[in-house]
Amino acid sequence: AQTVTQSQPEMSVQEAETVTLSCTYDTSESDYYLFWYKQPPSRQMILVIRQEAYKQQNATENRFSVNFQKAAKSFSLKISDSQLGDAAMYFCAYRDFPGGATNKLIFGTGTLLAVQP
Amino acid sequence: GAGVSQSPRYKVAKRGQDVALRCDPISGHVSLFWYQQALGQGPEFLTYFQNEAQLDKSGLPSDRFFAERPEGSVSTLKIQRTQQEDSAVYLCASSLGGGSDTQYFGPGTRLTVL
Repeated sequence: AQTVTQSQPEMSVQEAETVTLSCTYDTSESDYYLFWYKQPPSRQMILVIRQEAYKQQNATENRFSVNFQKAAKSFSLKISDSQLGDAAMYFCAYRDFPGGATNKLIFGTGTLLAVQP
Repeated sequence: GAGVSQSPRYKVAKRGQDVALRCDPISGHVSLFWYQQALGQGPEFLTYFQNEAQLDKSGLPSDRFFAERPEGSVSTLKIQRTQQEDSAVYLCASSLGGGSDTQYFGPGTRLTVL
């Protein structure tokens, strides 16, 4: 079964600095999707970035980028120029490629990011 | 609508009571998912609908949990004879239903069973 592991329960970063959140996963599939979701205290889960496993290029969305290492099954999130509004719980998630076993998202346990002014 | 909506936002139930949680997905979204998020944990999958068909209910923890989406739009998650271990945030997500679609989440319903 697929699993997602986030080994950093909490992280802290100074405003305007860069922080990297780690995620590893396990799957026997060759095609799949990976996601980072942000969950602020309001609880609304917001998509930050997604990566298709068949794409070699790392996804980037403004200040957010990923380091996708398929062979190592690693998917880290880098947040550049951190802002106070980035403070939230961040979840890494996996999903089978269409036609796979399931459409469900499998989440890690999350990393709570604090941003210090 | 503009996003996924859920009601109520908060629900307090006495042990043994039945509860019903509502999810209104984004208009036109074919797929709908329910997740359960315990305190301090990541969401865990409960069930999945494609239109009105419930294609996957492998995550429902017991036969006390029941979900429906009779007209392929609004969905209701019902929990019968609630237990304290049912206390959690229940998240609903919807997606267009295409091959590479993204799931969009609602704000969740926090259920507390006393």
